Parts: sequence; C-alpha cells; structure tokens
Amino acid sequence: EDQVTQSPEALRLQEGESSSLNCSYTVSGLRGLFWYRQDPGKGPEFLFTLYSAGEEKEKERLKATLTKKESFLHITAPKPEDSATYLCAVQAPRNTDKLIFGTGTRLQVFP
Amino acid sequence: EPEVTQTPSHQVTQMGQEVILRCVPISNHLYFYWYRQILGQKVEFLVSFYNNEISEKSEIFDDQFSVERPDGSNFTLKIRSTKLEDSAMYFCASSENTEAFFGQGTRLTVV
Repeated sequence: EDQVTQSPEALRLQEGESSSLNCSYTVSGLRGLFWYRQDPGKGPEFLFTLYSAGEEKEKERLKATLTKKESFLHITAPKPEDSATYLCAVQAPRNTDKLIFGTGTRLQVFP
Repeated sequence: EPEVTQTPSHQVTQMGQEVILRCVPISNHLYFYWYRQILGQKVEFLVSFYNNEISEKSEIFDDQFSVERPDGSNFTLKIRSTKLEDSAMYFCASSENTEAFFGQGTRLTVV
C-alpha cells in the first residue's frame, strides 16, 4: 500500500536555526513528490514538485531534495513567518492523479 | 495570480440535511479534485474529475456524495443526508498537468 510518513511531527526552532524535515515514502512507481505549506484553517499552498532521485529545488529559505526512498525539506535561517505545517504528498501512476498526503510537520519558529 | 475559490468558507448544517460546496477552479485547468481534512488528521482524497466525468474516487466517496460541473466555471460537491462524521474541512483543487492548487477550503460542521 502506498504510504507517506513525515517526521518529526512538530519542530520548534529559534529564528536563524536551520533544520530539515523528512518525508519517507513507499509507493510503486513514483510519479511525483510534492511539498505544500498549510497555515491554520487554510488550504495547502503549493511549494515544490520533485520527479526523480537527485533532483533539488529551492525557493527563498526552502530547499527540497529527493532520493529513492525519502525527501527532505531544508529550511535555512528560518524566520517566524515560516511557521506553518509542511505537508508532503506523493502521486503514483497506477492511482492516476490522486495525491497521498503525510500527516505533516508542524513548524514553529520563535524570534 | 489565479487561484481556486471556494464558497462558503464555513457551513453549519443539521444532521440529515443536504449541503452543496462550491468551487471555482483556475480557469485553464482541466483536472478537478475534492479532498477533505478532518481536524487533526491527514488531507484525504475524495474524487477526481476530468472531461465532465469522475476519473477516480476513494472509498470515502460513497453514494452520499456527488460532484458536478454545472457550467464552464463552477465545480460542486454535494453531500446528501449529512452525518456528524462528515464534519471536516473540504478542499477543492485544480491542476493543468501535475501540480494541484488548492482553495482555502470550506469548514463543514454537522450538528
């Protein structure tokens, strides 16, 4: 069964303290791995798509990487406005376009 | 910037009543989806819709649920005879190819 596991569940960082969030996946034939940001009471906001192992993408203080079994979201010198829940999702060919989400990592960045 | 728009933002309904959740996808997108998120849980796929028909549905999407694209811009989710366990955030999403963009959600509360 296709599965996505994110760790840690929650992460508290001081402003400027860099860290990484993990997304481990088990899927037969990965078509794409997606990172979203979700603020409380809001919809997921698209961040990145990764398609193949070794691929990296960056946006401001965020960098996403992909291996054959997991993805990392690296946050460099975070600011309080980076506080949110970060969701990882996978898409597999046999499941058409459906996204399978992890439970997310709730990030809090303190000044 | 184009966005997915959902109405209403919050809906309170009595158990057994029917509700219709509305969405306006991004205009040039061809693929439409409904997801839901029960408080504190994962975002879960409900249904995907392409070329005026359902392309995939989850086990959750039983006869109680239906989707429709009544005109060229709206995409609706109807829930007949709501139950307490239908209380959740319902997200509409649309995509042109692989990246799905989500609306801000409708919080459905069944009392």
